[in-house]
Amino acid sequence: DGGITQSPKYLFRKEGQNVTLSCEQNLNHDAMYWYRQDPGQGLRLIYYSQIVNDFQKGDIAEGYSVSREKKESFPLTVTSAQKNPTAFYLCASSIVPGMAEAFFGQGTRLTVV
Amino acid sequence: GQSLEQPSEVTAVEGAIVQINCTYQTSGFYGLSWYQQHDGGAPTFLSYNALDGLEETGRFSSFLSRSDSYGYLLLQELQMKDSASYFCAIPSGNTGKLIFGQGTTLQVKP
Repeated sequence: DGGITQSPKYLFRKEGQNVTLSCEQNLNHDAMYWYRQDPGQGLRLIYYSQIVNDFQKGDIAEGYSVSREKKESFPLTVTSAQKNPTAFYLCASSIVPGMAEAFFGQGTRLTVV
Repeated sequence: GQSLEQPSEVTAVEGAIVQINCTYQTSGFYGLSWYQQHDGGAPTFLSYNALDGLEETGRFSSFLSRSDSYGYLLLQELQMKDSASYFCAIPSGNTGKLIFGQGTTLQVKP
């Protein structure tokens, strides 16, 4: 079945450690996105990629980094510079950049202690 | 920049009709999307309006007025399973972004 896979579903890390969240899609979509969601809040755009080997900062990119070496994969690294990393992270993809319909993974809930 | 505004919460009873409004500010408008997210789950796409008017998909309808920078999602014959958060979103064809509103939590009561 085609879709987006995020792993792991739950992740715990100590403060000061970098952590990488995985996002893989087999939909052959060009565009991929990372969002952060805090309790009771909307989805805030962290980074997005329109094509392989290219990505742009979203609205809250500070303390995060990404790579897009393969069309299928768009990993997100939460660095120690991110002051409040505990959140629910969602990865999405769309056929082309900026398309109305995006497909989301099940999310990774990151807790930093 | 781009911004969207939605009410934070709406409550309705089973079988009723509810309307969730969304106003937006953006340059280069391409249309308004709606997504549903159950607690702890992944958002799922519901509808998209590129032109003014009403789009109907089963119990759900979405409306857009480009001149008023306004849209709404209409849910009819509410069911308990409709309890979820609903987000409006602006796709931006020229920048590649997809920006979401803060979301409206709908609680359906028996």
